[in-house]
Amino acid sequence: GENVEQHPSTLSVQEGDSAVIKCTYSDSASNYFPWYKQELGKGPQLIIDIRSNVGEKKDQRIAVTLNKTAKHFSLHITETQPEDSAVYFCAASEHNDMRFGAGTRLTVKP
Amino acid sequence: EAQVTQNPRYLITVTGKKLTVTCSQNMNHEYMSWYRQDPGLGLRQIYYSMNVEVTDKGDVPEGYKVSRKEKRNFPLILESPSPNQTSLYFCASSLSQGTGELFFGEGSRLTVL
Repeated sequence: GENVEQHPSTLSVQEGDSAVIKCTYSDSASNYFPWYKQELGKGPQLIIDIRSNVGEKKDQRIAVTLNKTAKHFSLHITETQPEDSAVYFCAASEHNDMRFGAGTRLTVKP
Repeated sequence: EAQVTQNPRYLITVTGKKLTVTCSQNMNHEYMSWYRQDPGLGLRQIYYSMNVEVTDKGDVPEGYKVSRKEKRNFPLILESPSPNQTSLYFCASSLSQGTGELFFGEGSRLTVL
């Protein structure tokens, strides 16, 4: 089955800086790669996703890149703000099997 | 408002005392799933359901049961809870399995003494 590794486990940045979270996956058949944000005391929420036929996708300050050859994908947050502080999960899915990474706790210092 | 509702949000119980965590979604989703979240381990799937009366094991099903008698409800049952089931539990639903957005509930924090 799929195995997803996520790094780093914690990340602290200064407000306005960029943050990058990286994930690798093992199953080359995986074709859907979502990112979820979990704020304190809440359930994860989808913030952006990418499918295997696309190399990059942007939505305002967040972007995701996918390298299928290397089997890794990354989340990029630019101009970070305190409200970006949360736990972020990557996931990889092949049709019926979605696996999550262990999560990254991002802290944005004002 | 589209949502997944879990109850209870917080529960402290003792070893062996059966409990049920309810989950309900109002989006007419076919797919529902239960996850547990533990530090350093991320979200691990316990059980999932593709549709009414169709359930299957996820990665960590031991000690849990589920049922799907109606499309909107997917309760998680701990017949004889043990301390290693102390965790944060999330129910989620989606239009389809694997390639679409998962909608999560707010979580149920369970402590088994």
